[in-house]
Amino acid sequence: KNEVEQSPQNLTAQEGEFITINCSYSVGISALHWLQQHPGGGIVSLFMLSSGKKKHGRLIATINIQEKHSSLHITASHPRDSAVYICAVSPGQGNLIFGKGTKLSVKP
Amino acid sequence: DGGITQSPKYLFRKEGQNVTLSCEQNLNHDAMYWYRQDPGQGLRLIYYSQIVNDFQKGDIAEGYSVSREKKESFPLTVTSAQKNPTAFYLCASGIEQFFGPGTRLTVL
Repeated sequence: KNEVEQSPQNLTAQEGEFITINCSYSVGISALHWLQQHPGGGIVSLFMLSSGKKKHGRLIATINIQEKHSSLHITASHPRDSAVYICAVSPGQGNLIFGKGTKLSVKP
Repeated sequence: DGGITQSPKYLFRKEGQNVTLSCEQNLNHDAMYWYRQDPGQGLRLIYYSQIVNDFQKGDIAEGYSVSREKKESFPLTVTSAQKNPTAFYLCASGIEQFFGPGTRLTVL
């Protein structure tokens, strides 16, 4: 079993829909990251969080440390949001453990 | 502009040759990381460094070597001992994970 599990693996949505991507992990962590990888391969860090909730524009990330679960929400989705979204956790030794990613496709 | 750069973008090498991938950052970050990504796979940590002149092996360090002589630079050498080096290599810096654009290495 992978230490970081994401669901769903693939997600297709219509423009304007509210989207949720989930991440569950099985190790103790100091922080959790949400990353976005564009089709060309470039990766952008969206959020780093250790508790509660963070919001940036149409993106919201939440984490429940007790349940070892995090969600990434996208409100009013747009075709430019199409990308692979990756969850990664930091166990605290300086390394990161990555999920396999969720491929999101938003149709106009 | 502050950022993290990797060069070259594409790299071809003959089997049995060593090759060095460059990673430079001017963000004044102490931590730097090297990751490998294979098609359909999640990111895997090769090496990381939390401070100059110190680095730790990640999950797949065999066949790779690094140095950290300067805060700004963290080059990765893919040696001939790496059995399957064709992959997309990504460098990142900072605990918040700022990523470079990546280098696609192909072994011919």
